[in-house]
Amino acid sequence: AQTVTQSQPEMSVQEAETVTLSCTYDTSESDYYLFWYKQPPSRQMILVIRQEAYKQQNATENRFSVNFQKAAKSFSLKISDSQLGDAAMYFCACPAQGGSEKLVFGKGTKLTVNP
Amino acid sequence: GAGVSQSPRYKVAKRGQDVALRCDPISGHVSLFWYQQALGQGPEFLTYFQNEAQLDKSGLPSDRFFAERPEGSVSTLKIQRTQQEDSAVYLCASSLPRMRGYNSPLHFGNGTRLTVT
Repeated sequence: AQTVTQSQPEMSVQEAETVTLSCTYDTSESDYYLFWYKQPPSRQMILVIRQEAYKQQNATENRFSVNFQKAAKSFSLKISDSQLGDAAMYFCACPAQGGSEKLVFGKGTKLTVNP
Repeated sequence: GAGVSQSPRYKVAKRGQDVALRCDPISGHVSLFWYQQALGQGPEFLTYFQNEAQLDKSGLPSDRFFAERPEGSVSTLKIQRTQQEDSAVYLCASSLPRMRGYNSPLHFGNGTRLTVT
């Protein structure tokens, strides 16, 4: 079965500091997008950032960036200058095998931001 | 524009009752997904539609679960004879179709929290 592994069930960071959330995945696809989603207590999943697997350059979106290691199938999320509003569950996701439209999600990392 | 809308936001059902959960996708999004999210877990895929066609229902846990999207827009997830293990958040998401072989981002609704007592 295809797996997406987030090895850190919980992480905490001080406001204004940097934190990295890890994710590894398993796919036989050659080209694909990877995604990080944020889920605050309101429950709505919000897209944070996506990475094209064929691109060498790591994606960045303001304070959010990824460290993508294709050979290692690793896709970590770095949050710089952490803000209180960053506190949420974070999920990484990759496409299911066989060119499917559906995404497979990890179990998530709960991020706490301390003032 | 309007996002994905789900109703009801909360549903409490007695064991054995039938429930129907509604999803209004973003206008123009041909792909629609249902996911189940247990407490403290990531979303688990249930089923997927492209327009009105249900292309993948491999994640539906039993034949008590049924989904439809008759006109290719609004979708309903129906659970018959609910059991306690059905208690979860049910998330609906919509997206544009894959382009050049790449998955489009999913746009999620706020989910329906189902509690079966």
